[in-house]
Amino acid sequence: QVQLQESGPGLVKPSETLSLTCRVSGASVSSGNYYWSWIRQPPGKRPEWIGYIFYTGSTNYNPSLESRVSISADKSKNQFSLRLSSVTAADTAVYYCARDALDGVDYWGQGTLVTVSS
Amino acid sequence: DIQMTQSPSTLSASVGDRVTITCRASQNINIWLAWYQQKPGKAPNLLIYKASTLESGVPSRFSGSGSGAEFTLTISSLQPDDFATYYCQQYNTYSRTFGQGTKVEIK
Repeated sequence: QVQLQESGPGLVKPSETLSLTCRVSGASVSSGNYYWSWIRQPPGKRPEWIGYIFYTGSTNYNPSLESRVSISADKSKNQFSLRLSSVTAADTAVYYCARDALDGVDYWGQGTLVTVSS
Repeated sequence: DIQMTQSPSTLSASVGDRVTITCRASQNINIWLAWYQQKPGKAPNLLIYKASTLESGVPSRFSGSGSGAEFTLTISSLQPDDFATYYCQQYNTYSRTFGQGTKVEIK
């Protein structure tokens, strides 16, 4: 059974960098036809795709966030990470890591609320 | 960017009702559309992909149809567990975008 678990600070100050890690079990981030993804959902709003990393290491990002976002993977630990710089209150959301099977997102983490506030 | 628009935003229905939700894309996305169900405090759950293929384990009362730019999700007989918010998502290009959601409420 594939499981994903997000970890990281729940509170980040404005202008600082948000950093989250997703630990994966039951699947490998270094093989298979999957996009290891980050998706966020502001309270009461629709999910927003942030970006993903493919097992080859190639990445794609939401154009609206591309200048501030970076996704990387640590194959030795079977995990992948998100960094979002220069955060503002608009970046407050539940952040999910997920597996995109190229035909929909079939596994999601439980989500972690990140609040941007001083 | 491809924009996704769902209608209605809210739907009031009773157990046993047939329910239909519409999703429109701002351009042709072929069949590259997925539907999700989300309950409060939980991650979305994949119901349908490739516009009409049922994900394993999803009840057969859920069905999807459409291609190009207009799609529908139908629940043939609404059950108590189905009261939730539903999202469509396109994956025609390297990026993904979601519709604004349809909340199915108890009438």
